[in-house]
Amino acid sequence: GESVGLHLPTLSVQEGDNSIINCAYSNSASDYFIWYKQESGKGPQFIIDIRSNMDKRQGQRVTVLLNKTVKHLSLQIAATQPGDSAVYFCAENLGKSGAGSYQLTFGKGTKLSVIP
Amino acid sequence: DTEVTQTPKHLVMGMTNKKSLKCEQHMGHRAMYWYKQKAKKPPELMFVYSYEKLSINESVPSRFSPECPNSSLLNLHLHALQPEDSALYLCASSQETGGVQPQHFGDGTRLSIL
Repeated sequence: GESVGLHLPTLSVQEGDNSIINCAYSNSASDYFIWYKQESGKGPQFIIDIRSNMDKRQGQRVTVLLNKTVKHLSLQIAATQPGDSAVYFCAENLGKSGAGSYQLTFGKGTKLSVIP
Repeated sequence: DTEVTQTPKHLVMGMTNKKSLKCEQHMGHRAMYWYKQKAKKPPELMFVYSYEKLSINESVPSRFSPECPNSSLLNLHLHALQPEDSALYLCASSQETGGVQPQHFGDGTRLSIL
């Protein structure tokens, strides 16, 4: 079965509020995590990543938190905008699978809807 | 705009047809990937190429045949597909040096099997 899952399949937030999208993973050997945003009709777009030797990483309006103790990953979006409406996937790397490549396992996804 | 380009964007084919999906990247990435994504589901890995060599085949049926002609191109040859193969097919690439780097995706080919 999937080792990466999400607590909430859908999330609706008011424009300007902060959003928090959660993700649980089950493999303690996972060493790299990525958040992707997928808009309708497009491929997944890289948002932010974090390695297992870190517990927090910040980007522009986004922050990823990693809690290895409880195997939990979250994506925080500050001042959510209508353009943030999309499906968000977390993905984990279970470790290098070969020279120069690796396997990602995706979570089920959360649909974020921003209310103007 | 994505730096991974996939063609065609849409493809409709019959079960007896032979077609190919194409993917191109010019970021110098030496790892390339094919994923299949059904509606409202996450992408599922199909194949991984590393330095133009197939390194992972996730038990994909032989009616899907990948090919990596060079470091910038990745093809997926299709033959005798089934209706359940209708999906969005995504290509991705990643750098192979300096530790694990993000995979960058194209916008996919939406495939419909009649």
